[in-house]
Amino acid sequence: GAGVSQSPSNKVTEKGKDVELRCDPISGHTALYWYRQSLGQGLEFLIYFQGNSAPDKSGLPSDRFSAERTGGSVSTLTIQRTQQEDSAVYLCASSLVGTSVSKNIQYFGAGTRLSVL
Amino acid sequence: AQKITQTQPGMFVQEKEAVTLDCTYDTSDPSYGLFWYKQPSSGEMIFLIYQGSYDQQNATEGRYSLNFQKARKSANLVISASQLGDSAMYFCAMREGRQGAQKLVFGQGTRLTINP
Repeated sequence: GAGVSQSPSNKVTEKGKDVELRCDPISGHTALYWYRQSLGQGLEFLIYFQGNSAPDKSGLPSDRFSAERTGGSVSTLTIQRTQQEDSAVYLCASSLVGTSVSKNIQYFGAGTRLSVL
Repeated sequence: AQKITQTQPGMFVQEKEAVTLDCTYDTSDPSYGLFWYKQPSSGEMIFLIYQGSYDQQNATEGRYSLNFQKARKSANLVISASQLGDSAMYFCAMREGRQGAQKLVFGQGTRLTINP
């Protein structure tokens, strides 16, 4: 598609369950980013991928959070043993990368709203 | 310390008026980029405008312009001739460093409401 696609758009789960959130970046974008948006914390960086590797995982809040990217395209963010404080909107973005592309603008998907009951 | 500060939680403006949304930033890196995004109620973050730290001129994109004052570390967004569709949350963000793939750090946002 033309833009960043995220699925599902909404996810309701019970505390303790595992969830997987998917992101399909803009075709040709080599960098992919995950952010979390919650009422108390605003927009927080979680992790980014350059190709299939993750040079910066500094924002992952705990070891219950993990992410992978395969084929330099689709990425999955997995949250194990979900807790109520994991409830938030999870946003994915992608960008080109290059020294000549000084902007390397990040384009965002519509997000996945996660509710942990 | 906050890297990006947006001091206006909410702004109310009459349609067709110009509006300025404030953003100040804090970095010791000489190379950085500043971004503004719009987030309507649908939730998607929409890129509006970019300013690089070495850019000599203020960025403009249609009705959007960025008032970049480097010495004051401010990057205010100016929206001219506001429209009802401009009602949304607006976020200022910064990327540090020269390398392209770097995380964005966001401010807390300003909720803009345009009144008819």
